[in-house]
Amino acid sequence: NAGVTQTPKFQVLKTGQSMTLQCAQDMNHEYMSWYRQDPGMGLRLIHYSVGAGITDQGEVPNGYNVSRSTTEDFPLRLLSAAPSQTSVYFCASSTGTGGSREQYFGPGTRLTVT
Amino acid sequence: KQEVTQIPAALSVPEGENLVLNCSFTDSAIYNLQWFRQDPGKGLTSLLLIQSSQREQTSGRLNASLDKSSGRSTLYIAASQPGDSATYLCAVRLWGGATNKLIFGTGTLLAVQP
Repeated sequence: NAGVTQTPKFQVLKTGQSMTLQCAQDMNHEYMSWYRQDPGMGLRLIHYSVGAGITDQGEVPNGYNVSRSTTEDFPLRLLSAAPSQTSVYFCASSTGTGGSREQYFGPGTRLTVT
Repeated sequence: KQEVTQIPAALSVPEGENLVLNCSFTDSAIYNLQWFRQDPGKGLTSLLLIQSSQREQTSGRLNASLDKSSGRSTLYIAASQPGDSATYLCAVRLWGGATNKLIFGTGTLLAVQP
């Protein structure tokens, strides 16, 4: 199993540009999430999904959109990039109801917005 | 609102020493608690997962305990090695419904000196 994969590894955007961060998992996990990690702030939940077709907002959802059309994929869209969105983004997955819900993380995407 | 605190923020020890990292949380209604390791510029690696009904988990030189009533968890590392140098994060998964919310502490940066 590849586990949780993320692309790209690095990205530089100009203010106002849009882009999609890709996330995929091959463990048939129900739950998937997006976090951002900033110095001194720890990891904060952006959006999460408890199954295909179901998404919900986390702690810091503004400026981001998600959709979950398949169990495997959970892309994160930046609608109009802002310097405040410069961060490292992590995708994660876990089993859902009835499982241990141990969280597995992808390697991250380092995003810089100029 | 659940808050997770890790003390100390940074720790430096000589090789071979046993050490304890602390994690405290404000709301005892958790589903589980997970300890992670993060190396610089890398993703998060799961170390130990403790379900809310468990008191401790062990993996090799690592032992994690959970005391829900006092809102505390500790990660014990025996016979530390320079390769243990990393940031250690604890995270609690909230209880209740179809939730996928993991709340992170800000981590303890560990340096093991050879």
